[in-house]
Amino acid sequence: DTGVSQDPRHKITKRGQNVTFRCDPISEHNRLYWYRQTLGQGPEFLTYFQNEAQLEKSRLLSDRFSAERPKGSFSTLEIQRTEQGDSAMYLCASSSLTGFYEQYFGPGTRLTVT
Amino acid sequence: ELKVEQNPLFLSMQEGKNYTIYCNYSTTSDRLYWYRQDPGKSLESLFVLLSNGAVKQEGRLMASLDTKARLSTLHITAAVHDLSATYFCAVGSTSGTYKYIFGTGTRLKVLA
Repeated sequence: DTGVSQDPRHKITKRGQNVTFRCDPISEHNRLYWYRQTLGQGPEFLTYFQNEAQLEKSRLLSDRFSAERPKGSFSTLEIQRTEQGDSAMYLCASSSLTGFYEQYFGPGTRLTVT
Repeated sequence: ELKVEQNPLFLSMQEGKNYTIYCNYSTTSDRLYWYRQDPGKSLESLFVLLSNGAVKQEGRLMASLDTKARLSTLHITAAVHDLSATYFCAVGSTSGTYKYIFGTGTRLKVLA
């Protein structure tokens, strides 16, 4: 297994456009997390899934953000009507249901909204 | 609501010196993690601390956890330039959820 992968790695979009990011977790991991990170800050929790169920969503997440994890495998994060404030690194992580619950992070998708 | 604070936020130190980064959290937790992040890169797991008094060491880094004080430390011994990075602690919430809250990070610069 090559770890958590994310696609695309970089995305530049114009304000008002919709964007979708994909995350492929480590294959045996049941939990999948999305975070947003802006410059100089720590990762901010957005949402997480256990298998296909979305168990928690940050109150900071506006209705423009939606995430899915069909069939409990890969996940997508969609941002509708992007705003300049959405510019950030979007990180995906996965973890197992057992053991140390350690999260393994993907390389991230850097979004720039112009 | 779980809050996580790190200090210092910035740390500039000479090679060969020792220093400690502190991670305080506001509510009970039994899971604490330390990560390293290089500029423009993702997060690399360093340590997993799961019980009171846990101590883990890897090279020049040593992490410890005091759950009663809600405090974890990351100690750097005889720093070298390659340790320059941003270090984050993350605390696992225990209120019926498996989400993690990250600290603000400590940006470490080791001067040659």
